[in-house]
Amino acid sequence: GAGVSQSPRYKVAKRGQDVALRCDPISGHVSLFWYQQALGQGPEFLTYFQNEAQLDKSGLPSDRFFAERPEGSVSTLKIQRTQQEDSAVYLCASSSPGIGSYNEQFFGPGTRLTVL
Amino acid sequence: TQLLEQSPQFLSIQEGENLTVYCNSSSVFSSLQWYRQEPGEGPVLLVTVVTGGEVKKLKRLTFQFGDARKDSSLHITAAQPGDTGLYLCAAGTGGFKTIFGAGTRLFVKA
Repeated sequence: GAGVSQSPRYKVAKRGQDVALRCDPISGHVSLFWYQQALGQGPEFLTYFQNEAQLDKSGLPSDRFFAERPEGSVSTLKIQRTQQEDSAVYLCASSSPGIGSYNEQFFGPGTRLTVL
Repeated sequence: TQLLEQSPQFLSIQEGENLTVYCNSSSVFSSLQWYRQEPGEGPVLLVTVVTGGEVKKLKRLTFQFGDARKDSSLHITAAQPGDTGLYLCAAGTGGFKTIFGAGTRLFVKA
C-alpha cells in the first residue's frame, strides 16, 4: 500500500521494559511527525523530523523517549523503562514539502501501547 | 500557550439531522485543518482552510474559517451513520509543532 504504516499495531509491555515502535512513511515524504494520543483526547505532538534531522523534540515527555530516522525514511520511537502513564496510542504522520507548508499530514493507523 | 478548544465534546444525533461543531482559539493561525478519526485508525485529512472568512464545501460538509483566522466551524447537513467519528481540528504553531484540539465525538444513529 502507499500509505503510512506502523508496527506493531498493538504492544503490551510490563512496567520497566523498553519498547520500539516503527513507522514507515509515504515514500518521498520529507517530513515525519510522532504524536501520542491518550484515550478520548486529540493527538499530542512529540517530535518532528525533516529527512534525517530531528528539528523539534519539544513534545517528548521525558528523557525516556527517544526517536530516530537515520536514513531519512523509516523512523523508530523508543521508550525506555516504560511506565503506566506511557499507555496510549502512538501515531506517526508524514508530509511532503509541497503540501507541508499547509501542515497537511497523512497518518498511520497507530500503535496502541499498554503498559501493565 | 496556543490551544485549540473544540465544542461540543460529544454529540449524538439522529440520521438526517444537521449539526455544527466548533474549533476556537485566542491565537491567529495561517492555516487550519480538519481531520476525521475512526476507532483503531489514524486521523484522515478532510480539508485545509487558509484565508480568513473562507468557506469550503465537501459534499454535505461545510467548513468555515473565521475572519480573524482564530476559529473555525464544521457544519454537516443531513448527517448519516457513516459520518460517525472523532472530528479534530489542527493548526501549525509557526514552527514545526502541530497542535490538535481534543475533538468532537459524533455519533449518528440510524
